Amino acid sequence: KAGVTQTPRYLIKTRGQQVTLSCSPISGHRSVSWYQQTPGQGLQFLFEYFSETQRNKGNFPGRFSGRQFSNSRSEMNVSTLELGDSALYLCASSWDGLNTGELFFGEGSRLTVL
Amino acid sequence: AQSVTQLGSHVSVSEGALVLLRCNYSSSVPPYLFWYVQYPNQGLQLLLKYTTGATLVKGINGFEAEFKKSETSFHLTKPSAHMSDAAEYFCAVSDDYKLSFGAGTTVTVRA
Repeated sequence: KAGVTQTPRYLIKTRGQQVTLSCSPISGHRSVSWYQQTPGQGLQFLFEYFSETQRNKGNFPGRFSGRQFSNSRSEMNVSTLELGDSALYLCASSWDGLNTGELFFGEGSRLTVL
Repeated sequence: AQSVTQLGSHVSVSEGALVLLRCNYSSSVPPYLFWYVQYPNQGLQLLLKYTTGATLVKGINGFEAEFKKSETSFHLTKPSAHMSDAAEYFCAVSDDYKLSFGAGTTVTVRA
């Protein structure tokens, strides 16, 4: 079956702009979570959605937001981009969430902020 | 909050040698623990997970890990390294619908 699809794979923005990243989970998966990966901070949890409801959120400023649609597809948005937002953004899906389930990751969206 | 510590940011092994990656967790309740692998320019792939039951967990590609509650450890091993094992490995613990990752260990395999 098709894996987790993230678009776009690569993008370049300038400071102050905003960006929207998309994630299509594996068919039937209802949980989608987002992670930011940087060389300095490693992998950090952004938020998790299940059936359109945010169940948990990491320690990121309000400029980072997300949502999930009724078909389980998810988007995350970063407004007023800063240089430090340059990172690989990973999306992961699972059937019922994290605690007992396996996460399936997409290949990520690599954001460069100039 | 749960957290994990991976000892050693980089491990170099010879092909055919034992691979040992160390992970310690902090948890006030029995945790769910995971090892993920990331190849260059790719997302993460689950190697194995511990939820409940048997403390020795077998995963893909010949990897296994042992959950030791008394030592709060979940070390990853593979008896014989292969060139294809060169990657970055992450230990993770789940808590309240999120994964907390360790800093990662990069494995290089020498021919």
